[in-house]
Amino acid sequence: EAGVAQSPRYKIIEKRQSVAFWCNPISGHATLYWYQQILGQGPKLLIQFQNNGVVDDSQLPKDRFSAERLKGVDSTLKIQPAKLEDSAVYLCASSSTSVGTYFGPGTRLTVT
Amino acid sequence: AQSVAQPEDQVNVAEGNPLTVKCTYSVSGNPYLFWYVQYPNRGLQFLLKYITGDNLVKGSYGFEAEFNKSQTSFHLKKPSALVSDSALYFCAVSNMDTGRRALTFGSGTRLQVQP
Repeated sequence: EAGVAQSPRYKIIEKRQSVAFWCNPISGHATLYWYQQILGQGPKLLIQFQNNGVVDDSQLPKDRFSAERLKGVDSTLKIQPAKLEDSAVYLCASSSTSVGTYFGPGTRLTVT
Repeated sequence: AQSVAQPEDQVNVAEGNPLTVKCTYSVSGNPYLFWYVQYPNRGLQFLLKYITGDNLVKGSYGFEAEFNKSQTSFHLKKPSALVSDSALYFCAVSNMDTGRRALTFGSGTRLQVQP
């Protein structure tokens, strides 16, 4: 079974630029999550999708972050404009009702 | 709101000795508890979970965890540590009663196993 795919793996941008991350979940997993992991901390939930609907985006900084999952499969997370404090690893994860949550390898973002 | 505490930033243990990584949680309703491991430049790998039933849960790579409801703890254990177990370990909780299933993570504990 293929795992959660993410791209790119690494990204370096300057502050105030925009960036987008892509995630392809495990086939058949209806729930998709984006987490932010700042160095030295545990992952923090940004947004949770159930199919193509948003279940929880209470911790998403909506003035600069946006996410979509148009067809209930792939998802993109965008940051515009980026700030220095957005430097982190962005983890995508997926789950179904009968199994646990599986994480992708993450995208390491460095904002300079 | 739900939360997880991992009181130790780092745990050091000699190879072959037993190890324990501590975790306590706070959640309203029934807790679903998880342990994940993270190796450098890699994503989170699932180790084990507690949903219901036996308080002692066995997982991957010889790890196990004990759920203690009265102490709201879910400590990770292994009878004999290996150098290759050295990694960052995260405890996480979710509240399945709400149907949201999103995980709340602790801050992580770095396990260092010395040869």
